[in-house]
Amino acid sequence: AQSVSQHNHHVILSEAASLELGCNYSYGGTVNLFWYVQYPGQHLQLLLKYFSGDPLVKGIKGFEAEFIKSKFSFNLRKPSVQWSDTAEYFCAVNGYNKLIFGAGTRLAVHP
Amino acid sequence: NAGVTQTPKFQVLKTGQSMTLQCAQDMNHEYMSWYRQDPGMGLRLIHYSVGAGITDQGEVPNGYNVSRSTTEDFPLRLLSAAPSQTSVYFCASRRDRDEKLFFGSGTQLSVL
Repeated sequence: AQSVSQHNHHVILSEAASLELGCNYSYGGTVNLFWYVQYPGQHLQLLLKYFSGDPLVKGIKGFEAEFIKSKFSFNLRKPSVQWSDTAEYFCAVNGYNKLIFGAGTRLAVHP
Repeated sequence: NAGVTQTPKFQVLKTGQSMTLQCAQDMNHEYMSWYRQDPGMGLRLIHYSVGAGITDQGEVPNGYNVSRSTTEDFPLRLLSAAPSQTSVYFCASRRDRDEKLFFGSGTQLSVL
């Protein structure tokens, strides 16, 4: 069965610190991979996506993610976080038409 | 362009009552889906559809029914509400499997 695991449930960082959020998935076939962000009181917004080609994907607001097929991973990174990055981050995997989300990681960035 | 329209925004039900959450999109998207969002559990897929007349179960389909008679509409029915169905429900659509989701504004449902 298709599943997504996000290992960090809560992350607290200071501004300018580097960020890496883990995402692992299980699915035997071709996948499309996504990271979404949900700011307080708002809908989910797409940060970036991968479906083929260069495994290093760049998204909005300075975020990037690397697809490592051998590790079934799609970790999200940002070199220097800002207070405005405080939000909940969701990894999502699309296998055969089903788009499944991870449980999310709450990021709090302190000034 | 209205996007994804979801109604109602808030609903309180008593255990055993039935109701339908409405979802409509005007973007001619083939893919539509229903999720529930609960604290610490992310979004869990209830049912989804890849086109009119085609529906399938997601991760947590029990207690919910859907139908897709038109491309635009994808209602979610709660047959006999239970307190475990207290949640925030989101309808979402997308043009294709590698495209981003467009979300409705959500329905906050409480079952007493």
